[in-house]
Amino acid sequence: ETGVTQTPRHLVMGMTNKKSLKCEQHLGHNAMYWYKQSAKKPLELMFVYNFKEQTENNSVPSRFSPECPNSSHLFLHLHTLQPEDSALYLCASSQEPTASYGYTFGSGTRLTVV
Amino acid sequence: GQSLEQPSEVTAVEGAIVQINCTYQTSGFYGLSWYQQHDGGAPTFLSYNALDGLEETGRFSSFLSRSDSYGYLLLQELQMKDSASYFCAVRDRGGRGTYKYIFGTGTRLKVLA
Repeated sequence: ETGVTQTPRHLVMGMTNKKSLKCEQHLGHNAMYWYKQSAKKPLELMFVYNFKEQTENNSVPSRFSPECPNSSHLFLHLHTLQPEDSALYLCASSQEPTASYGYTFGSGTRLTVV
Repeated sequence: GQSLEQPSEVTAVEGAIVQINCTYQTSGFYGLSWYQQHDGGAPTFLSYNALDGLEETGRFSSFLSRSDSYGYLLLQELQMKDSASYFCAVRDRGGRGTYKYIFGTGTRLKVLA
């Protein structure tokens, strides 16, 4: 496997369920990110991890709980979500502080909350 | 607040040249990037400008004017496969000495045969 892999690709969950999104990067990068992409809105930065440490929490509701056990893996634990949380959740990685190569994104998890 | 403005949609024909503009207002600025995203796909990195001027990479070029808080992506010799959404993103300071990208709303480019 190469690049950034996200699983599952699609997820439908009820408002009372608990689920987790997984992201894995095989690029040797030191930083990982969660973004939320909703229709007609900018990609919204949720969390940033640098060398496994959280360096940014963009005022994300506590029903979203990130976990970064090592520099290659990133999880987003979901519980008690709302319908407005339905969106594409994108994971990305980068080698910081090098800016020239940008972020490498995964294909995302399409989340539907019913 | 932080904002990046892009046109929502641009249409052009195969072989043409198209320019997608981006104006930004952010608390910090370290550079401007462009990303391409096809429907159902992941955003892919196209270019990064830290200094004023034009950067060329094949059919794509990116321009930055820091004094005008403005940049653009220029796509030449358009092909059908260029139909996608294009996002500008400002590199800004994050927490604990790190960096982060703030993205615009994206421009949907339609290339017609």
